[in-house]
Amino acid sequence: AQSVTQLDSHVSVSEGTPVLLRCNYSSSYSPSLFWYVQHPNKGLQLLLKYTSAATLVKGINGFEAEFKKSETSFHLTKPSAHMSDAAEYFCVVSLWGYNKLIFGAGTRLAVHP
Amino acid sequence: GAVVSQHPSWVICKSGTSVKIECRSLDFQATTMFWYRQFPKQSLMLMATSNEGSKATYEQGVEKDKFLINHASLTLSTLTVTSAHPEDSSFYICSARERGGPLAGLYTEQFFGPGTRLTVL
Repeated sequence: AQSVTQLDSHVSVSEGTPVLLRCNYSSSYSPSLFWYVQHPNKGLQLLLKYTSAATLVKGINGFEAEFKKSETSFHLTKPSAHMSDAAEYFCVVSLWGYNKLIFGAGTRLAVHP
Repeated sequence: GAVVSQHPSWVICKSGTSVKIECRSLDFQATTMFWYRQFPKQSLMLMATSNEGSKATYEQGVEKDKFLINHASLTLSTLTVTSAHPEDSSFYICSARERGGPLAGLYTEQFFGPGTRLTVL
């Protein structure tokens, strides 16, 4: 069975400081992993995806994530937070790509001036 | 990126009535569409997967007679909540996956709609 655990329900950072959103997964097979962002009243947007290629994945808006099989982790990072990054972030796991997505509980990121 | 729309964006209805939510892929053909439900401050839960021209596949615990899904064309899927009750109040989100080649489905991205907020009084 596949599952994903987002270790923090809320993260608060100051503008210009680094962002770390933590995600651990469980999968019997080689997983595909994704990070999505959800802004209020908007659809989910794909930030980045890991599909068994390079373990360090770069996404949009300066975000990146590293797939660590030994730690079963796929943490999302950004060197410098911007006010516009405030949103809900979802770590997602899927077997064989996009056939079925399993969402984590979400992490709400707050960015303070 | 590809655009998926949902209509309506919000709806309020009386208990016992039925509500239809539309999901459209605006600039691509979607062989598969997915319907999710999101409760306040919770994650998305997959309700069903629908393939164009065939019956939807429902996740365990989802009542297929209550949540009717139709995927009659490559650009439109509808979710009808029949005899809605207050506990059906939720945020319903659809996504669509583009038709692809032999490896389609392995890494073909799902594009999400903006969601429909349903409130049943």
